[in-house]
Amino acid sequence: DTAVSQTPKYLVTQMGNDKSIKCEQNLGHDTMYWYKQDSKKFLKIMFSYNNKELIINETVPNRFSPKSPDKAHLNLHINSLELGDSAVYFCASSQGGTPQQFFGPGTRLTVL
Amino acid sequence: GDSVTQMEGPVTLSEEACLTINCTYTATGYPSLFWYVQYPGEGLQLLLKATKADDKGSNKGFEATYRKETTSFHLEKGSVQVSDSAVYFCALSPTDSWGKFQFGAGTQVVVTP
Repeated sequence: DTAVSQTPKYLVTQMGNDKSIKCEQNLGHDTMYWYKQDSKKFLKIMFSYNNKELIINETVPNRFSPKSPDKAHLNLHINSLELGDSAVYFCASSQGGTPQQFFGPGTRLTVL
Repeated sequence: GDSVTQMEGPVTLSEEACLTINCTYTATGYPSLFWYVQYPGEGLQLLLKATKADDKGSNKGFEATYRKETTSFHLEKGSVQVSDSAVYFCALSPTDSWGKFQFGAGTQVVVTP
């Protein structure tokens, strides 16, 4: 059973398009995250939701909009995609009050 | 702000050699410390963790000790295998904002037969 899953695994699209990445966790956690990993493997947190409420919102262009329909899902919608958005995006989850995070397999986004 | 610094890679070594990846951190209070591993084409997996000073985390032959006095959490393994080839990330979770992980830049390790 996959604990944290993401779809799609690969996403290739043109500049200017709008795309979404979905994330689901079946661990019963109440907190979910989105990270961006650039080509040099550097990981940076983008957003975090706790019980469907946004609690971390780093300096990210407002073209990126997270949506959490329930505690088990956190989707990432990206408008007007740019070349610089090409990266691997990781979803993660944790249980509130515990620091350990569990990561999904990642979505490799390529913007042409 | 909080930050993590780890040694740059790639680190290339032969099978059965000893591995040490240095990690130091800057944080207020007593953060929790982690090592995550990312195998090629995969997501991050927790390798080990330590939540307070002098704790030693260990897993799969890897060890790291939380040293408050030197603000370090160095990763060590006595005898590496080819299957240990991966990118290793040191990370901290602050005491006052436990969700806001800070990751190091990652260290690529390549083990040759």
